[in-house]
Amino acid sequence: AQRVTQPEKLLSVFKGAPVELKCNYSYSGSPELFWYVQYSRQRLQLLLRHISRESIKGFTADLNKGETSFHLKKPFAQEEDSAMYYCAPNNAGNMLTFGGGTRLMVKP
Amino acid sequence: ETGVTQTPRHLVMGMTNKKSLKCEQHLGHNAMYWYKQSAKKPLELMFVYNFKEQTENNSVPSRFSPECPNSSHLFLHLHTLQPEDSALYLCASSQVSGGVGGNTIYFGEGSWLTVV
Repeated sequence: AQRVTQPEKLLSVFKGAPVELKCNYSYSGSPELFWYVQYSRQRLQLLLRHISRESIKGFTADLNKGETSFHLKKPFAQEEDSAMYYCAPNNAGNMLTFGGGTRLMVKP
Repeated sequence: ETGVTQTPRHLVMGMTNKKSLKCEQHLGHNAMYWYKQSAKKPLELMFVYNFKEQTENNSVPSRFSPECPNSSHLFLHLHTLQPEDSALYLCASSQVSGGVGGNTIYFGEGSWLTVV
């Protein structure tokens, strides 16, 4: 069965500290991986996708097929990074399966 | 407004009422979705429409009835709901190219539903 695990429901860090939001997946085949973000009072939106290999707002995510992980990282967290983050593999055409989400709180 | 718009933003309904949620996408996409977001569960995919045809019904109770009259509009008809159906209902769209792999999905702001 397809499964996505974000083990931390809440992650609290101080401004300037490194942050890593964990995501592990259990999928058949080779899924494409996405991270979506939901800022307060805003809609859920794409942050980055592994196929792009981009850094968005200072965030990067590396797909580790051996560990079936797609952790989201940023070396220096900012207060405006506070939001809900969702990991979402896609292995069935156009359907996303979302993890439970991790709320990131960046304290001043 | 561009993107994906949903109406109403907030809805309170009784268990015997019939109401509908509306979604419109202005992105020229060919696929639309309904998701349910509640406090106690991860985002749940409910329905998928590709080229106006329903391709996925994720074991959703029949009290939720989707309708997709064209590739730009999607409705969710609600009838005899239960209080546990109270949640944020998100509409989304994407352009499906038919290739292997995923496509970016664009979400609306959601409709907050409260069933009393």
